[in-house]
Amino acid sequence: KQEVTQIPAALSVPEGENLVLNCSFTDSAIYNLQWFRQDPGKGLTSLLLIQSSQREQTSGRLNASLDKSSGRSTLYIAASQPGDSATYLCAVGRASYDKVIFGPGTSLSVIP
Amino acid sequence: KAGVTQTPRYLIKTRGQQVTLSCSPISGHRSVSWYQQTPGQGLQFLFEYFSETQRNKGNFPGRFSGRQFSNSRSEMNVSTLELGDSALYLCASSHDTMNTEAFFGQGTRLTVV
Repeated sequence: KQEVTQIPAALSVPEGENLVLNCSFTDSAIYNLQWFRQDPGKGLTSLLLIQSSQREQTSGRLNASLDKSSGRSTLYIAASQPGDSATYLCAVGRASYDKVIFGPGTSLSVIP
Repeated sequence: KAGVTQTPRYLIKTRGQQVTLSCSPISGHRSVSWYQQTPGQGLQFLFEYFSETQRNKGNFPGRFSGRQFSNSRSEMNVSTLELGDSALYLCASSHDTMNTEAFFGQGTRLTVV
């Protein structure tokens, strides 16, 4: 059974710091991995999608890597800003009845 | 380009009632997935529809059902509501079933009293 975990569960950093969020999954047979952010009470905003054949994706200050063999993905946020404060979720996509499995999320707080 | 639209945004229902939620995907997207989000269980996959057919279903009781119309709009129905059904219900659309980016709506907040 695929399980997705995220470390840390919560993170508080001063503005300007670079930070890394971690996502781990137990079954490497995945199609893709997607990172989202969620603001309180709102829907999910897609940040980056990494296909299983890719190693990383970049968008602005965000960089996501994928290592299927070790079952890990990292989301790197450069020069963090208070507007980055949100919950970040990773989701593993695969071809089975439970098509997409989400991690529990990392709650990020960037202090001005 | 319009995003994913979910209606209504908020609902309050009584135990035993039934409810129907609606999701309009991004134009051109044929895959619609539904998720339930609760503080205790996180985000859980309910089901996915592609071209009016249910392609995948999560581990939820039969009280949860859905359908998709020819214009790709989807509805989700929950019958005989229970207090534990209180949650944020999210809908996601994507171009295809695999290897494509999913875009989420703002969700419907259902409260069962």
